[in-house]
Amino acid sequence: GAGVSQSPRYKVAKRGQDVALRCDPISGHVSLFWYQQALGQGPEFLTYFQNEAQLDKSGLPSDRFFAERPEGSVSTLKIQRTQQEDSAVYLCASSSHRGGFFSNQPQHFGDGTRLSIL
Amino acid sequence: GNSVTQMEGPVTLSEEAFLTINCTYTATGYPSLFWYVQYPGEGLQLLLKATKADDKGSNKGFEATYRKETTSFHLEKGSVQVSDSAVYFCALSDQTGANNLFFGTGTRLTVIP
Repeated sequence: GAGVSQSPRYKVAKRGQDVALRCDPISGHVSLFWYQQALGQGPEFLTYFQNEAQLDKSGLPSDRFFAERPEGSVSTLKIQRTQQEDSAVYLCASSSHRGGFFSNQPQHFGDGTRLSIL
Repeated sequence: GNSVTQMEGPVTLSEEAFLTINCTYTATGYPSLFWYVQYPGEGLQLLLKATKADDKGSNKGFEATYRKETTSFHLEKGSVQVSDSAVYFCALSDQTGANNLFFGTGTRLTVIP
């Protein structure tokens, strides 16, 4: 398809397990973002890639969260030793923005992965 | 810092009623402003945007004007339809190198026939 694809759509894990969430951005999009959306809240920024380079990871809530984009396309968000507070929808977005000021390129969002930690 | 304050919902309107969802922001520099919409069971979609003061974004009958003097970007529609029922998010991009988005908490709109 032409949009951002995320998998799995739903993930249930027990506390303490590791999880991996996948994002396939729109082909050719340079920029890729991960956001976390808690129930009833707006999405909050986690991390940003420009091609394979992770340029901003200031939003990652702890060192249990790790993201990669090794070939500048598909990205994986990994959460180690999950906790109940990690339960949220994880959104991936991509854009053709190439960095610098005053970009008008919109972000295109996937449908998200709903993560539930028991 | 950057933040967005959005009118809390839920909002329930009758079909053909006038809609306003308030949004104010705090930002460093000159942000771009956005409204995103999330229909039931779907992902976030860009509804409209404005990139500088006094710009008006519009789409599908919705409008919002970038007001720098009041730091606002209120969403309006003259006549809502049942199909407009969704959650609406106001957001800003602070125009740094990442251009990541800062979102409000969302407003759930329900339009009844």
